[in-house]
Amino acid sequence: GNSVTQMEGPVTLSEEAFLTINCTYTATGYPSLFWYVQYPGEGLQLLLKATKADDKGSNKGFEATYRKETTSFHLEKGSVQVSDSAVYFCATNFGNEKLTFGTGTRLTIIP
Amino acid sequence: DGGITQSPKYLFRKEGQNVTLSCEQNLNHDAMYWYRQDPGQGLRLIYYSQIVNDFQKGDIAEGYSVSREKKESFPLTVTSAQKNPTAFYLCASSLDRGIEAFFGQGTRLTVV
Repeated sequence: GNSVTQMEGPVTLSEEAFLTINCTYTATGYPSLFWYVQYPGEGLQLLLKATKADDKGSNKGFEATYRKETTSFHLEKGSVQVSDSAVYFCATNFGNEKLTFGTGTRLTIIP
Repeated sequence: DGGITQSPKYLFRKEGQNVTLSCEQNLNHDAMYWYRQDPGQGLRLIYYSQIVNDFQKGDIAEGYSVSREKKESFPLTVTSAQKNPTAFYLCASSLDRGIEAFFGQGTRLTVV
């Protein structure tokens, strides 16, 4: 069946380190893909999205590229900051059905 | 400003009581959703609604009920039949099903 698999955390990095959080999906169609971020005690905010193969979503220094050949949508940032500490969720809609979320990856950045 | 408002932010309930969580949106979105989040876990879909007066069960609907009498409102009732209701509840809406969703700030429910 359709599913989203997300890199398990927690992930701890030093400030200015390079970040990668892996996300892969299985689907019979061509879903849209999303990354959401959740800061402590808050709801989720859309971070970036991509709606078709080879699209690159970007926001606040984060990037993710829709790779159809590897069914992946990995989140990257070149230089993380303490303020990036949060939980990150990969999500997909599997062709216009309801959103399905990964289990989330907790990221902690230490100064 | 447009957005989704959940209230209250914190809610305490005695065992055996029903409690209703409020969710209001002024984004003119057709679809609305309720998710449950437990510590260290992802989001699990409770109920969703695509139009007024219609809603569907999600993955964990047992012990919950909803209504959609107005486009902007989608309240969730946690009934006494829900065995483990303590959790963080998130309401979301989207222009149409499957398009990116916008979330409220959440309600933390604690059973005492």
